[in-house]
Amino acid sequence: DTAVSQTPKYLVTQMGNDKSIKCEQNLGHDTMYWYKQDSKKFLKIMFSYNNKELIINETVPNRFSPKSPDKAHLNLHINSLELGDSAVYFCASSQGQAGGGTQYFGPGTRLTVL
Amino acid sequence: AQSVTQLGSHVSVSEGALVLLRCNYSSSVPPYLFWYVQYPNQGLQLLLKYTTGATLVKGINGFEAEFKKSETSFHLTKPSAHMSDAAEYFCAVKDSGTYKYIFGTGTRLKVLA
Repeated sequence: DTAVSQTPKYLVTQMGNDKSIKCEQNLGHDTMYWYKQDSKKFLKIMFSYNNKELIINETVPNRFSPKSPDKAHLNLHINSLELGDSAVYFCASSQGQAGGGTQYFGPGTRLTVL
Repeated sequence: AQSVTQLGSHVSVSEGALVLLRCNYSSSVPPYLFWYVQYPNQGLQLLLKYTTGATLVKGINGFEAEFKKSETSFHLTKPSAHMSDAAEYFCAVKDSGTYKYIFGTGTRLKVLA
């Protein structure tokens, strides 16, 4: 059973297009995250939702819009794609706030903007 | 603000040699501490974590880490490196009462035959 899944795994598109990435977790967690990993492997947190509410919203261009239809799903829509958006995007989930809960990561979506 | 420092973006060891990957955090209050591994073209996978209790934590694949409050460190070790250990390793911290995990910049481990 895949704990955190993302679709698509690869996404190649032209500058200016709009694209979406989907994430689903079957762990029963209440919190989900989007990270961007650049070519130097640096992981940058973008957004987080807890029980469908946005709780972390880092400095990210407003072309990026997350949406959580329920606590098991978190999608990322990107408008007007730019070359600099090329990266690997990871979804993750965890449970709760107070404890040292483990974050579980999806396999990533490699986005290439041409 | 909490921060994590991983010394050495690249570490090379011979097969069978000791692996030591360094991680220091900035908080005066001990946070929760994690080590993740990322194999090529894959997501991050938890190696081990420290929450409370015993300061020496054992993880998967023979790795262990020791939480040292006085040094604000959580270094990762493995007595004998294997070729399959070649990967990117990330240290992360999380403060109690927050949702945010802070990741280090990663250390790429290379294992030489």
